[in-house]
Amino acid sequence: DAKTTQPPSMDCAEGRAANLPCNHSTISGNEYVYWYRQIHSQGPQYIIHGLKNNETNEMASLIITEDRKSSTLILPHATLRDTAVYYCILRSNDYKLSFGAGTTVTVRA
Amino acid sequence: EAGVAQSPRYKIIEKRQSVAFWCNPISGHATLYWYQQILGQGPKLLIQFQNNGVVDDSQLPKDRFSAERLKGVDSTLKIQPAKLEDSAVYLCASSSVFGRAYYGYTFGSGTRLTVV
Repeated sequence: DAKTTQPPSMDCAEGRAANLPCNHSTISGNEYVYWYRQIHSQGPQYIIHGLKNNETNEMASLIITEDRKSSTLILPHATLRDTAVYYCILRSNDYKLSFGAGTTVTVRA
Repeated sequence: EAGVAQSPRYKIIEKRQSVAFWCNPISGHATLYWYQQILGQGPKLLIQFQNNGVVDDSQLPKDRFSAERLKGVDSTLKIQPAKLEDSAVYLCASSSVFGRAYYGYTFGSGTRLTVV
């Protein structure tokens, strides 16, 4: 069962930063936070992951609160191609990913 | 690196028929997963393999679903007999775990099954 809570949908203007929130209040000390996205008719695509520290890669930034009960995925300059369903997932110790319903992000021109 | 390959891409069958899906993971990835994604929902894990052994199949409806991973590489997922509610996209993913040096799963594009 998914252990994260995300808003069902959000809109973002092209060229602006998109901030996607995720609550995971029952996270345990050794669970990683993963973000994936799924563009229509494709398999989920890895974006970023983290444990405690903030992380940044070429796709996005991940901000994890100090108590680790929530996180935010930041897409710095959203494009139309970033329209997708974004999943915030806690990776269990047995390396399984349990997906929730995710957030449908629509980037508008 | 080459991605996770799945076939077929689409399949339409009648209820009570059987169907099989094939997955070729990324070379060297020891862990392989099958997920079922019903329209409008997130993927649901069906089975997890480590090499050719089953790690977790607790969510696999074993009365009709079966999966195998021979020689720890390719995998097949079979449904027999199919029901209408099996209509979904079946995703295969693989990963390579080396202690803390673990980055993420790579998913295939999936097989879209329609049972009529």
